[in-house]
Amino acid sequence: AQTVTQSQPEMSVQEAETVTLSCTYDTSESDYYLFWYKQPPSRQMILVIRQEAYKQQNATENRFSVNFQKAAKSFSLKISDSQLGDAAMYFCAYRLYNQGGKLIFGQGTELSVKP
Amino acid sequence: GAGVSQSPSNKVTEKGKDVELRCDPISGHTALYWYRQSLGQGLEFLIYFQGNSAPDKSGLPSDRFSAERTGGSVSTLTIQRTQQEDSAVYLCASSWGVNTGELFFGEGSRLTVL
Repeated sequence: AQTVTQSQPEMSVQEAETVTLSCTYDTSESDYYLFWYKQPPSRQMILVIRQEAYKQQNATENRFSVNFQKAAKSFSLKISDSQLGDAAMYFCAYRLYNQGGKLIFGQGTELSVKP
Repeated sequence: GAGVSQSPSNKVTEKGKDVELRCDPISGHTALYWYRQSLGQGLEFLIYFQGNSAPDKSGLPSDRFSAERTGGSVSTLTIQRTQQEDSAVYLCASSWGVNTGELFFGEGSRLTVL
């Protein structure tokens, strides 16, 4: 069975600094997607970034980038120039290439940003 | 609508009562998903719909849980004879297709069973 593990329940970063959130996953499949979602207090899950497993190049979206290590089954999220609005729960998620929206989520990391 | 809409936003019920949670997806989205988020936990997949059919119901925790979707649009998640362990936030999401596109989530329905 596929599992996703986030080993950091809480993280803190100073405004304008950089923080990295960790995620590891376990799968025997080769074709899959990985995602980072942000969940603010409004509860609505917002997609931050996605990575296709077949792509070697790490995905980037403005201040957000990932370090995807397929052999190590590691998928960390780096947030640069942290802003107060980045404070939220962050979830790492996995899904098989042909399994639609059946996402498997990690337990989440609560990120706080200090002014 | 502009986004995925869920109602009610909050629901408090007594143990043993039935509840219905509603999800109105983004117009044109053919795929619809239900997830459950228990306190301090990640999201747990419950069921997804492609059109009005549900190819994967594997996440429904018991036969007290059921869901339907009509007209390829609105979906209702029904929990019968609620138990305290059913207390959670129930999140709905939709997408253009099952294997393509981003999932767009609603703000969820928080269910509290007393």
